[in-house]
Amino acid sequence: NAGVTQTPKFQVLKTGQSMTLQCAQDMNHNSMYWYRQDPGMGLRLIYYSASEGTTDKGEVPNGYNVSRLNKREFSLRLESAAPSQTSVYFCATQRVAITYEQYFGPGTRLTVT
Amino acid sequence: SQKIEQNSEALNIQEGKTATLTCNYTNYSPAYLQWYRQDPGRGPVFLLLIRENEKEKRKERLKVTFDTTLKQSLFHITASQPADSATYLCAPNYGGSQGNLIFGKGTKLSVKP
Repeated sequence: NAGVTQTPKFQVLKTGQSMTLQCAQDMNHNSMYWYRQDPGMGLRLIYYSASEGTTDKGEVPNGYNVSRLNKREFSLRLESAAPSQTSVYFCATQRVAITYEQYFGPGTRLTVT
Repeated sequence: SQKIEQNSEALNIQEGKTATLTCNYTNYSPAYLQWYRQDPGRGPVFLLLIRENEKEKRKERLKVTFDTTLKQSLFHITASQPADSATYLCAPNYGGSQGNLIFGKGTKLSVKP
């Protein structure tokens, strides 16, 4: 079991470029999340998906779009990258029972110049 | 909106001592509260969950308490080891849709031999 995988691990973009961060899980969880983590700011929720076909905004959705392609995959798109989007991005799934823990991917470190 | 505060950005202790980390929240109590460990360059890993109606939860050398009067959770690591050095995040859940968590900024624990 790979758990939660993310690609790419690192990316450098120029301002205005677009890219898609990919996330896939083999845990058979319905809920999936995208967070960003900045120094001194903690983890902040960008978007989440309760199930295939549904997505909702989190705390900081501006500048991002998401697609829940199927139960396994949840992608995050930056249409026109800005330096303020320089961050580490984490995808997570959630076990919606008993302990409700979230399982995180290894992260994507994105730099926008 | 809810505000989560973890007592300090960094905590340094000697090996063998008990580390105590604090998580304070404002306004109303969460339905449950989770603690995560995060190592540099990696995603957070779930450690423990404590529910609103529980006073204490233990797992091996870890203990979590939850005081709804003080609006506070304490996370203890007994007989600490250098391998316990990491950043610890608290994450209350307020029972919102999809069990969304609000993450604190974390406390970086360093255990010196």
